[in-house]
Amino acid sequence: KQEVTQIPAALSVPEGENLVLNCSFTDSAIYNLQWFRQDPGKGLTSLLLIQSSQREQTSGRLNASLDKSSGRSTLYIAASQPGDSATYLCAVRPYNNNDMRFGAGTRLTVKP
Amino acid sequence: NAGVTQTPKFQVLKTGQSMTLQCAQDMNHNSMYWYRQDPGMGLRLIYYSASEGTTDKGEVPNGYNVSRLNKREFSLRLESAAPSQTSVYFCASSEGRSTQYFGPGTRLTVL
Repeated sequence: KQEVTQIPAALSVPEGENLVLNCSFTDSAIYNLQWFRQDPGKGLTSLLLIQSSQREQTSGRLNASLDKSSGRSTLYIAASQPGDSATYLCAVRPYNNNDMRFGAGTRLTVKP
Repeated sequence: NAGVTQTPKFQVLKTGQSMTLQCAQDMNHNSMYWYRQDPGMGLRLIYYSASEGTTDKGEVPNGYNVSRLNKREFSLRLESAAPSQTSVYFCASSEGRSTQYFGPGTRLTVL
């Protein structure tokens, strides 16, 4: 059974800092991995999707990497801003079905 | 282009009552999903539908039923609500196995 873990559960940084969020998964037979942002009381917004054959994806100040063999993905946020404050979740899609598995998320606070 | 819409936004039920959560998407996606999110936990998949006319169980299907009414709509039914089903319910859609797009959620409380 796929288990997805995100550490730390919460992170607080000063504005302008570069930071890394971690996601680990136990079964490397994945089809893709997706990073989401969730604001309080809202739905999820997709940030980046990495296919199993890819090593990284970039969008603006965000860069997501994938090391499938070690079961790890990281989300790098450059020059953090208070508007980046939210919960960030990663989700893994297995290779042979659609049973998506989510991590519990990292709650990020960027202080002005 | 509204994306994924869900109704209702909030609902309070008594134990044993039934209700249906509605979800619709206007992106012409084949795949649709229902999740629940509980405090301190990630989302857990209840059911998904890879295409019109097909549905499959996810991680936590017990106590729920679904209907893929057409390509746009995917409903989730609670036949006899229990307090353990108090949660926030999200619907999502995707084109095949690509990026998932989520609705705003339904907050359900079962007393």
